[in-house]
Amino acid sequence: KQEVTQIPAALSVPEGENLVLNCSFTDSAIYNLQWFRQDPGKGLTSLLLIQSSQREQTSGRLNASLDKSSGRSTLYIAASQPGDSATYLCAVRPGFGNEKLTFGTGTRLTIIP
Amino acid sequence: ETGVTQSPTHLIKTRGQQVTLRCSSQSGHNTVSWYQQALGQGPQFIFQYYREEENGRGNFPPRFSGLQFPNYSSELNVNALELDDSALYLCASSFKGGYGYTFGSGTRLTVV
Repeated sequence: KQEVTQIPAALSVPEGENLVLNCSFTDSAIYNLQWFRQDPGKGLTSLLLIQSSQREQTSGRLNASLDKSSGRSTLYIAASQPGDSATYLCAVRPGFGNEKLTFGTGTRLTIIP
Repeated sequence: ETGVTQSPTHLIKTRGQQVTLRCSSQSGHNTVSWYQQALGQGPQFIFQYYREEENGRGNFPPRFSGLQFPNYSSELNVNALELDDSALYLCASSFKGGYGYTFGSGTRLTVV
């Protein structure tokens, strides 16, 4: 059974700092991994998706990496801004044609102005 | 291109009642998945619908059921509501065999 862990559960950093969020998964047989952002009481916004054959993906100030063999992914946020404050969730998909996502419990990020 | 729309946004029900939640999928998507997110937790997979049939189910009892319609919209029905059913219910649409998902804003269900 796939288990996804995100550490830390909460993180507070001053505005402007670079930061890294971590995600680990127990079964390396994944199809892809996706990072989402969730604002309080809201739905999920997809940030980056990494296929199992890829090592990283970038979008603006965000960079996600994937090390499938070690069961780890990181989300790097450069030059953090107060608007980045949210909960960040990672989710893994087991295989082609299997749409089920297994989520971590998220990291609640607070950027201090 | 429209996104995923869920209705209602908030709902309060009494224990033992039944509830129906609705989801319209993103244009071009043919698969709908439902997730339950309890406070402070990650979303948990309930089930998925493809071609109007259930195509995968998580660890949820049969009182959680669903439908998918020819236009790929979907309903989630929950019978005999329990207090622990209070959660944010998220709908996600995707294209079978595709890569990513589009999530709706969710329905906040409170059971009292």
